[in-house]
Amino acid sequence: AQSVTQPDIHITVSEGASLELRCNYSYGATPYLFWYVQSPGQGLQLLLKYFSGDTLVQGIKGFEAEFKRSQSSFNLRKPSVHWSDAAEYFCAVGPKAAGNKLTFGGGTRVLVKP
Amino acid sequence: DAGVIQSPRHEVTEMGQEVTLRCKPISGHNSLFWYRQTMMRGLELLIYFNNNVPIDDSGMPEDRFSAKMPNASFSTLKIQPSEPRDSAVYFCASRLLAGTYNEQFFGPGTRLTVL
Repeated sequence: AQSVTQPDIHITVSEGASLELRCNYSYGATPYLFWYVQSPGQGLQLLLKYFSGDTLVQGIKGFEAEFKRSQSSFNLRKPSVHWSDAAEYFCAVGPKAAGNKLTFGGGTRVLVKP
Repeated sequence: DAGVIQSPRHEVTEMGQEVTLRCKPISGHNSLFWYRQTMMRGLELLIYFNNNVPIDDSGMPEDRFSAKMPNASFSTLKIQPSEPRDSAVYFCASRLLAGTYNEQFFGPGTRLTVL
């Protein structure tokens, strides 16, 4: 069975500092991986996704993520955080079969200090 | 283009009442998902449909919950009777089934409070 672990429930970062959110997955084959962001009171918005190819993927809002097969990880990074990045971030894994569902991690809430 | 539309955005009801949540997926999308989000359990998939057919309802908590998708542009999630522990934010998401895995687009959610 597939699973996703986000070890950090909360992270506090100063504005302008770098941010890294951890995501570890368990899956029997090469997964499709996603990062979503949820701003307060909003639905989830896709930041980026990895299907194949270059293991460093670029997303919206200046985010990037690196797929490391050997570590079963797909960590999200941003070099310089803005106050508007305060939100909850979800990592998700899905199978290659197009009809199947995603499994989401528990989320990491990011607080940004001025 | 309009995104996923959910109604109502907020619902407050009393225990025992029937609650119906509605979702209109993005036009052309043929896969639809219902999720529930709570502080305790996070984001849980309740049920999903492909081409209007329920594929996996293993996340539906109990028989009080039912979901339908009578056509490609409309789905409902019904709770009857509702209980306080059903209080949560319910999200609908849709995507396009295709050769590769396309992202899910989420609606704004319905915040349900059962008193």
